[in-house]
Amino acid sequence: GEDVEQSLFLSVREGDSSVINCTYTDSSSTYLYWYKQEPGAGLQLLTYIFSNMDMKQDQRLTVLLNKKDKHLSLRIADTQTGDSAIYFCAVLDGNNNDMRFGAGTRLTVKP
Amino acid sequence: DAGVIQSPRHEVTEMGQEVTLRCKPISGHDYLFWYRQTMMRGLELLIYFNNNVPIDDSGMPEDRFSAKMPNASFSTLKIQPSEPRDSAVYFCASSSRGTGVYNEQFFGPGTRLTVL
Repeated sequence: GEDVEQSLFLSVREGDSSVINCTYTDSSSTYLYWYKQEPGAGLQLLTYIFSNMDMKQDQRLTVLLNKKDKHLSLRIADTQTGDSAIYFCAVLDGNNNDMRFGAGTRLTVKP
Repeated sequence: DAGVIQSPRHEVTEMGQEVTLRCKPISGHDYLFWYRQTMMRGLELLIYFNNNVPIDDSGMPEDRFSAKMPNASFSTLKIQPSEPRDSAVYFCASSSRGTGVYNEQFFGPGTRLTVL
């Protein structure tokens, strides 16, 4: 099955850029997602990218996909204290259509 | 739709007691997932159902855990007997592959379980 790996913690200063990284094992992955979890709440879809794309930008968010290295990243420009949350990488396994989540990266933004 | 509904939101119990967590998925969704989240291990998939049938329960920690989905609008996750190491936030999520962002999962607010 698919393995999705993320580091558990990231700390940045307000105004800096945050880069959250994710690696996966299944080369047949078709869709890749980033979910955000606010404190005390469930996960919500933040953005996604198709596997035939290298990059997707949405306001302060930039998703980069390196299929060769099976590496996905989420960049948040001008990080704000309100961006403090847990960010989950998720990958759709192209073989069985199952979605696998990483363990989540807890982003802490310091003023 | 009200989204995925979970109950209770908080549960405090003593070791050895039976705990039942409940979930109502979004109407029309045919997939239902149970996850567990802890600080040390992050988010873990426990089991998921398709059209009320369990498809993959390889994430269920041990025989003390069981999950059922008697109909399309209700699922339970039961822990019997509960242990302190079961303390976590348990999430239910549902999805429908035919609508919206492909395979997007919609999460409930979670049940915070504390076993003393």
